[in-house]
Amino acid sequence: AQTVTQSQPEMSVQEAETVTLSCTYDTSESDYYLFWYKQPPSRQMILVIRQEAYKQQNATENRFSVNFQKAAKSFSLKISDSQLGDAAMYFCAYRSAWGYDSNSGYALNFGKGTSLLVTP
Amino acid sequence: NAGVTQTPKFQVLKTGQSMTLQCAQDMNHNSMYWYRQDPGMGLRLIYYSASEGTTDKGEVPNGYNVSRLNKREFSLRLESAAPSQTSVYFCASSEQGSTEQFFGPGTRLTVL
Repeated sequence: AQTVTQSQPEMSVQEAETVTLSCTYDTSESDYYLFWYKQPPSRQMILVIRQEAYKQQNATENRFSVNFQKAAKSFSLKISDSQLGDAAMYFCAYRSAWGYDSNSGYALNFGKGTSLLVTP
Repeated sequence: NAGVTQTPKFQVLKTGQSMTLQCAQDMNHNSMYWYRQDPGMGLRLIYYSASEGTTDKGEVPNGYNVSRLNKREFSLRLESAAPSQTSVYFCASSEQGSTEQFFGPGTRLTVL
C-alpha cells in the first residue's frame, strides 16, 4: 500500500508571507494523482490543488502552487501571500491512476496532516 | 445541489450502544466511502462501495458494518460502540475513476 508522509505536524506563517508544506510518498506505480486538501475549523474537506504524475508541469491555483518532484517522490504545497483564512489543517493525499484498487476502491491515502497557523 | 450530506452532525453514545450514521449524495456518483479522522492520524478508510450493490472493507473496518441502500445512500453502523470509536466520521463520494472526491461535513462521535 502507498504511504503518504507529512513530516511537519505544525507550521506558522505571518500574514502576506509565503509558506511551504512538505509531503513525501512511497509508491511503485508510475502514474498516480496527488492532492492537497484543506480542513478549516468547520471540518469541511476542501480540495486545494491536484497534480497528475504524468504531467511535468507543476499545478497552480491562484496563491497555491505545488513543487512536484517525481523522482524524489516529493509533493510540497506553497502558499503565497498568506491570509488569515488560510489557517487550517492541510492534508496531502495519493490515489492510483490505474483505476480500481482491490484494497481501497478509488479511495485516497492521506497523510497525517499539517496544522497551519497564520499570524497577523 | 446539496452535495454530500451526513446526519447527525454530533452524537454521544454510551459504550455498548448502537447507532447508524447516514450519508446521502445527490451527484449520481457510483462510488462512496466512509473515513474516520483521529488526531494525528489523518483520514483512514473504513469501508467503501465502488458501485451500488457492492461494499468492501478498507483499512480499519473492525467494529463497523455498512449498507449501500441505493445509489444515493451509504450508511455506517456501529453495533456495539466502544470508546476507541470516538472519532470524526466523513462520508465521501466520487464518480467511478474520477480523481475528485466530495466530502460531507462530518459527524463527531463520542463514545463514553
